[in-house]
Amino acid sequence: DVKVTQSSRYLVKRTGEKVFLECVQDMDHENMFWYRQDPGLGLRLIYFSYDVKMKEKGDIPEGYSVSREKKERFSLILESASTNQTSMYLCASSYVGGRGEAFFGQGTRLTVV
Amino acid sequence: GNSVTQMEGPVTLSEEAFLTINCTYTATGYPSLFWYVQYPGEGLQLLLKATKADDKGSNKGFEATYRKETTSFHLEKGSVQVSDSAVYFCALLRNTGNQFYFGTGTSLTVIP
Repeated sequence: DVKVTQSSRYLVKRTGEKVFLECVQDMDHENMFWYRQDPGLGLRLIYFSYDVKMKEKGDIPEGYSVSREKKERFSLILESASTNQTSMYLCASSYVGGRGEAFFGQGTRLTVV
Repeated sequence: GNSVTQMEGPVTLSEEAFLTINCTYTATGYPSLFWYVQYPGEGLQLLLKATKADDKGSNKGFEATYRKETTSFHLEKGSVQVSDSAVYFCALLRNTGNQFYFGTGTSLTVIP
């Protein structure tokens, strides 16, 4: 069974902390994505990566960075967490440039207090 | 540009009712189209997809037909069940790109 695994289901962090969200996929996909999901706003793309060490900004990259040192792992970093970053974060992966669907992780519910 | 517009929710139906969730898209070229479902507290799962015009995707009693002339991909089910209660997302993937574009989601609640 193909899998995208996010390291935590729930996280509670304090304002100003540096936060790492980890995502691992076992499908040898080139593309990996980080989305943020908020009520009424749907999914908004934060960053995506199409290869190791490659990244592109999505629609809402401010306050976030990413790291992709290995093909299977894509990390989202909140440099200094703020309360407006409280949200559901979804990681996804897919094959490059094709018709294939994106596969999603189970999501991380992050609360910043 | 590329975008997906889907009907606003929430939608509440009685069990065994007919379901339609509208989805229209704007895209350059010939995108692939998808419906994803998100059950409470979980990530998104692929429900069905279509990769070219007039294709019909189907799964678990749900269907959607890729209509190029109306740029639509409406989701239908003839008889919904309580277990279909979830949020449904329409999405597109350009055939020349790697990025997915999602609608805002439609919440469906099915009552017994």
